[in-house]
Amino acid sequence: QKEVEQNSGPLSVPEGAIASLNCTYSDRGSQSFFWYRQYSGKSPELIMSIYSNGDKEDGRFTAQLNKASQYVSLLIRDSQPSDSATYLCADLSGGSYIPTFGRGTSLIVHP
Amino acid sequence: DTGVSQNPRHKITKRGQNVTFRCDPISEHNRLYWYRQTLGQGPEFLTYFQNEAQLEKSRLLSDRFSAERPKGSFSTLEIQRTEQGDSAMYLCASSRGGTYNEQFFGPGTRLTVL
Repeated sequence: QKEVEQNSGPLSVPEGAIASLNCTYSDRGSQSFFWYRQYSGKSPELIMSIYSNGDKEDGRFTAQLNKASQYVSLLIRDSQPSDSATYLCADLSGGSYIPTFGRGTSLIVHP
Repeated sequence: DTGVSQNPRHKITKRGQNVTFRCDPISEHNRLYWYRQTLGQGPEFLTYFQNEAQLEKSRLLSDRFSAERPKGSFSTLEIQRTEQGDSAMYLCASSRGGTYNEQFFGPGTRLTVL
């Protein structure tokens, strides 16, 4: 059974800093990874996807994938208090299209 | 609004009662997923459909749970003889399928079993 591991946090960063969120995955054959943001009491919102080794940038967000080390990361530049949320890492692998989610990392951005 | 919708948003029921939730996916999406999420955990996969076919079902899913997607559009999730342990957020997501399969979630249904 696939596993996705995330540190539950909380990760606390000051406003304007770079927040770095990490996740590791167990299935060496995994190809597709997603980052979701979830505010308390709300449903997950897709913010980034990454499929190839390297970096993918979208605005203040950068996703990084290292298949050799089996980790995925999300960098948030110029963190804002509105970024305070739980960030979920998801792994989609093989042909079954069943994502496995980590338990999420709580991010707190303080003014 | 062309996103995923779910009804009801909240449901309070007594132990032993049956409940049914509805999900309407994004119209052009052929895949539909159900998840359950409890506090401090990530979404836990329950089942998914491609069009009207139910292709996968979690082995952890009790036989009290059943899902349908009769015409390949909306889906329903029914829980029979609810238990307090069924209290959770029930999430629906949809996708186009394909290689990368980005999923988009609805707002969820919060179930409380008393």
